Amino acid sequence: IQMTQSPSSLSASVGDRVSITCRASQTIDNHVNWYQHIPGRAPILLIKAGSTLQTGVPSRFSGSGSGTQFTLTIRGVQPEDFATYYCQQSYRTPHIFGQGTKLEI
Amino acid sequence: EVQLVMSGGGLVQPGGSLRLSCGGSGSTFSRFWTTWVRQAPGKGLEWVATIKYDGREAWYVDSVKGRFTIARDTAENSVHLEMNSLRVEDTAVYFCARVGLFYDFGGYPHDVLDMWGQGTSVTVSS
Repeated sequence: IQMTQSPSSLSASVGDRVSITCRASQTIDNHVNWYQHIPGRAPILLIKAGSTLQTGVPSRFSGSGSGTQFTLTIRGVQPEDFATYYCQQSYRTPHIFGQGTKLEI
Repeated sequence: EVQLVMSGGGLVQPGGSLRLSCGGSGSTFSRFWTTWVRQAPGKGLEWVATIKYDGREAWYVDSVKGRFTIARDTAENSVHLEMNSLRVEDTAVYFCARVGLFYDFGGYPHDVLDMWGQGTSVTVSS
């Protein structure tokens, strides 16, 4: 199962609303997770099962979608949100990641 | 938040071997599957391998099959990634992660990487 993520990069200002999309090569119900990765640090789980916010993650992050189309939205981007975001399908092993979206100022 | 402890990594020549280790504490780790993920320079995250909690089954990305072996050491409560016949393209930062289990509102289970090691750098170069 392949995951096609777009865009590959995104420019935003503090306070903006941004969305990142992931498309699966076949239907995967809601088996998508979203991660944030800042260079030099371990990745962080943001959203699980398509739309459930991981404990401790700010509510400005949200996920939606099912089937083959999924979206991560950040409402009111904060300075600490500038990072790379990845979707990952967990429907079937191997749990492939999308190509990543770099959110830049 | 890093909660798994990794060791190993370093510089090795093409064709050489390295062993990465990933350890957790108690039930934080021993009852869960474990996954290795890597990030090559300038590239995104790549799933490498996963092993079941009991070590009886494992899966690998095609590019490392036959060269890498993931194994669980229950006595040490750790998971190792043995890397042989290393290639320049294996150069990356490697992460281990716990595969947590989350049940959604419909009661369906979902695998999530909910706990990560700090990462360790592997450089394959002559």
